[in-house]
Order: sequence, then C-alpha cells, then structure tokens
Amino acid sequence: NAGVTQTPKFRVLKTGQSMTLLCAQDMNHEYMYWYRQDPGMGLRLIHYSVGEGTTAKGEVPDGYNVSRLKKQNFLLGLESAAPSQTSVYFCASSRQGYEQYFGPGTRLTVT
Amino acid sequence: AQSVSQHNHHVILSEAASLELGCNYSYGGTVNLFWYVQYPGQHLQLLLKYFSGDPLVKGIKGFEAEFIKSKFSFNLRKPSVQWSDTAEYFCAAWAGSARQLTFGSGTQLTVLP
Repeated sequence: NAGVTQTPKFRVLKTGQSMTLLCAQDMNHEYMYWYRQDPGMGLRLIHYSVGEGTTAKGEVPDGYNVSRLKKQNFLLGLESAAPSQTSVYFCASSRQGYEQYFGPGTRLTVT
Repeated sequence: AQSVSQHNHHVILSEAASLELGCNYSYGGTVNLFWYVQYPGQHLQLLLKYFSGDPLVKGIKGFEAEFIKSKFSFNLRKPSVQWSDTAEYFCAAWAGSARQLTFGSGTQLTVLP
C-alpha cells in the first residue's frame, strides 16, 4: 500500500516548456487535489476532482490543466511554464474530501 | 468565501516550553477544522481534527486543540515541546459545500535543544 505517490520528485524546466506531473493513489479515494506550496503562502489549491472524469478549478488554476481519466490517477499539466510556477507541488487524495493524504511533493524550478 | 488565518509565522521555543499556535477562521456555517504538520523535507500529515462534540480534541504526539466557536478559533497546544516537534504547522477548515480544504499560511515552529 503505497498511499499517494508523485512523479517526478524534481524537475527543472525552461520558460515555455511543458510538462505533466503524475499523482497516483491506491486507496480507492474519490477526491483528489493539486496544491502548490510557496514560502509564507501556505498551500493553495490549483485544481481538484471529486471523481473519475470530473475536475474543478481551485484558487489558482491559471496556467495549469488537469485530467482524471482513471480514478487512481490525477495529472497536472503545465502547457507553457513560467518562472512564477516555480514551486513545490503536492497532490492529495481523500475518501470524503476533508481528511486528505498527501504525496511527497514535486519540486519544480522554471528558469 | 471562507478563510483561515495563522498570525504566528515563526515561533522559536526551547525544549520543554509550552506551545500555543493561533488559528482563526471566517465562516458563518458549520465548519470542520484540522491541524496538519509538515516535518522538514516531508509531506503534510494530519495532526488532529474537529467535527463536533467536545471542543477539546486530542491528536497524535501529545498535541491538542481547542475549538472556541465564539472566537472563531482553533488553537493548537502542547504542554512541553520536543526538538522533534520542529516543523511547519498548518491549520485548515472544511466547509462541506465547497468540497475544499482552506489552509492557513502556516507557522514554522523551531524548537531549540
């Protein structure tokens, strides 16, 4: 039982490049979330999903897209990376939404 | 929209000192409250949670929190901190209709040995 895993753990991108972050959970949770964590700003919700095939915008969705084609996976895409997207990205999953289990994070640097 | 405020950004204590971290939320309806902890280099973990009933809730590692409805507060406490409690602590609120947790900005706790 791996819980929530994230791929990759680290990534450096040049401005304008694209990439996809993968989140996988093996707890059969309905809810999945993508956050970004920046110093002094806590966690800010990017997008979330309340079930397979559904997605919704969070607090800071601009510049990101998501897909939840399979219940266990939640993908976060950056189409054209910008330095402002340098951050640590956390994925979380939950059975009911509020008790969330977090992945280990992805540290992304955009130069 | 609901919001969560943590006014202490960085707290430095010596071992065995008592801890209280403030958390205030703004939401008029029923709200569920949480404290999460993030140890250095690790992901967030649930420390404790409040849904209803006894306003004093106990969590892991000797932490507790008190829900005071009249003050919209959910402060985290520990009678005697240890060096291993060094971490960042996040308060979070859940208002069911939003299906989202709203996090505070976090409090970095440094415990000096």
